[in-house]
Amino acid sequence: AQKVTQAQTEISVVEKEDVTLDCVYETRDTTYYLFWYKQPPSGELVFLIRRNSFDEQNEISGRYSWNFQKSTSSFNFTITASQVVDSAVYFCALRWNSGYSTLTFGKGTMLLVSP
Amino acid sequence: DSGVTQTPKHLITATGQRVTLRCSPRSGDLSVYWYQQSLDQGLQFLIQYYNGEERAKGNILERFSAQQFPDLHSELNLSSLELGDSALYFCASSPQGGFTDTQYFGPGTRLTVL
Repeated sequence: AQKVTQAQTEISVVEKEDVTLDCVYETRDTTYYLFWYKQPPSGELVFLIRRNSFDEQNEISGRYSWNFQKSTSSFNFTITASQVVDSAVYFCALRWNSGYSTLTFGKGTMLLVSP
Repeated sequence: DSGVTQTPKHLITATGQRVTLRCSPRSGDLSVYWYQQSLDQGLQFLIQYYNGEERAKGNILERFSAQQFPDLHSELNLSSLELGDSALYFCASSPQGGFTDTQYFGPGTRLTVL
């Protein structure tokens, strides 16, 4: 089965704390893509990152970093020195080679950053 | 701003009615996708079009239909609406609709069925 699990439903932190959002995926395909999207309170879905199954290099973009580990089927997302503007629902998504080009999303993790 | 536009932003209607949601893809993108986001089902893929042709179908109800026009905009038609159809409907677009594409999402249309 192709599946994405985001076990953390909601996380609350105080500004400047680091926070990690977990994503575990299941797929039988050896070729696949993983994505993270952000949904702020305004409702739109904002693309953050894409990673293919052959590239296990970690990625850093400003305060955001992603850790992809095929051995544990995980693609975790860390926000360093969180800010109030990071408050949003974050979705991890999977697209596998035999699944055409559709995205399968996890249930999302709501991140609340308080001042 | 992703470059994908959706209208209307909000739609309130009654059970049994029919509505049309509209989407314009990013400039140059040939493929559009429709997703439904509801509290109980989460984000679910409905249907994909590529250059006017249906390419993939997900959990789309028979009461729902879509099409992509020659100018590449797409419409999602929802008929015989039920309370459970209340949701946020997203359109996304990508250049070629292929496996390696990234999908960029529009702001969504929030449908409320009363």
